[in-house]
Amino acid sequence: DTEVTQTPKHLVMGMTNKKSLKCEQHMGHRAMYWYKQKAKKPPELMFVYSYEKLSINESVPSRFSPECPNSSLLNLHLHALQPEDSALYLCASSQISQVNYGYTFGSGTRLTVV
Amino acid sequence: TQLLEQSPQFLSIQEGENLTVYCNSSSVFSSLQWYRQEPGEGPVLLVTVVTGGEVKKLKRLTFQFGDARKDSSLHITAAQPGDTGLYLCAGAWNQGGKLIFGQGTELSVKP
Repeated sequence: DTEVTQTPKHLVMGMTNKKSLKCEQHMGHRAMYWYKQKAKKPPELMFVYSYEKLSINESVPSRFSPECPNSSLLNLHLHALQPEDSALYLCASSQISQVNYGYTFGSGTRLTVV
Repeated sequence: TQLLEQSPQFLSIQEGENLTVYCNSSSVFSSLQWYRQEPGEGPVLLVTVVTGGEVKKLKRLTFQFGDARKDSSLHITAAQPGDTGLYLCAGAWNQGGKLIFGQGTELSVKP
């Protein structure tokens, strides 16, 4: 299995809703990432998990709450989002020493906040 | 602060033409990675270059890493409509697990 699977593919949520994005990989990768991508822009790093521990938080607002329950799963919990948070949310994974191997990205969750 | 400058940002060419995309930085990277992204999908890794001066070929795509490991280029020979997409360069450092993307080059190849 060489894929990163993200669910759901599309999500529409109101500003008072609570929802979660899910990401799963079975490649034995011990680093996992959340990126946010706006239309026609490059992905922007949000969070990095190494060995299931949060190692980097790029000053992301607390309405985004990541969780890594085990080495294969990564969640992003969403609460009280704003319309400007609408974007494609990408999950990725890599070997810990990823410099030589690159990342594997999922297809993303297209989030619309109304 | 944008660490990686990618150019051009938009490129529209005819099938069969050649093109080069550039990725420049003032930072030294442990590796430079190139990705291609289609609409509604995640980026797909094309190549990783690690050694200064390294050249890698992937069919009609040629990737080069600068001697000082601060810049990279992607050259496509005889472009085809299937090459259309967003091309992203990304720089990585040994520690921290961070991967930083350039602004991207949106390539359109017309038949």
